[in-house]
Amino acid sequence: DVKVTQSSRYLVKRTGEKVFLECVQDMDHENMFWYRQDPGLGLRLIYFSYDVKMKEKGDIPEGYSVSREKKERFSLILESASTNQTSMYLCASSLFKRAGTAAHEQFFGPGTRLTVL
Amino acid sequence: KNEVEQSPQNLTAQEGEFITINCSYSVGISALHWLQQHPGGGIVSLFMLSSGKKKHGRLIATINIQEKHSSLHITASHPRDSAVYICAVPGTGAGSYQLTFGKGTKLSVIP
Repeated sequence: DVKVTQSSRYLVKRTGEKVFLECVQDMDHENMFWYRQDPGLGLRLIYFSYDVKMKEKGDIPEGYSVSREKKERFSLILESASTNQTSMYLCASSLFKRAGTAAHEQFFGPGTRLTVL
Repeated sequence: KNEVEQSPQNLTAQEGEFITINCSYSVGISALHWLQQHPGGGIVSLFMLSSGKKKHGRLIATINIQEKHSSLHITASHPRDSAVYICAVPGTGAGSYQLTFGKGTKLSVIP
C-alpha cells in the first residue's frame, strides 16, 4: 500500500527558529512536493523535486528551502520561522513516467500543522 | 497556468440529500482529479477521470472535456461525507506532473 509519512502531526515553534519538516515515501516515486494549505487559499506549491538533489521552486518559495539527498526523503526547511508561516504543510509524491507521459496522481502525507509563536 | 474554479465554497446539507460540487478549468487537460480531505486528515484521491463518468459507491464524478467542467455528486448524503472536496488538474508540457488545485468545497452534512 502506498505510504507517505511526515515527521510530526503538530509542531509549535518560536519566531526565528530553524524548522525542519521531514517527508518519507515508500513507493520509489521520483516526484515529491511540499504544499501549504490555508483557509480560503487552498493548496499552494512551495517546492518540488523530480529527482535526488534536484529541486524546483513552486508558487510560494520565499522563506523556505528544501533538501533531497535520498529518493525517499524530501525535507522542507524554514530557515527563520515567522508567524506568517503558521499553516498546514502537506507533502506528496508521484511517479514520473517517461516516454512522453507523466503520472500526475499524487499521494499525500497526513500533514503537519505548524504554529509559529 | 490552468485556472481552477470550484463552487460552492461551502455547502451544508441535510442527511439524505443529493449533493453536487462543480469544478471548471481554463485550459484543456488529459485528466482531472477529485480529492477528499476529512477534518484534521490527509488528502485522499477519490477519482481520476478523463472522460464520461465514474462511480464509486454513492459518489459519482462526471467530466465534460469540451466545456472544461466536472461535477462530483454524492447520493444519499451521510454525516461521514462531511469533508473538503478538492478538484485538481495537471499542468501541460514539462509541468504535467504538477497539479493545480481548486480552493476546495467544504461540505457539512447534518443528521
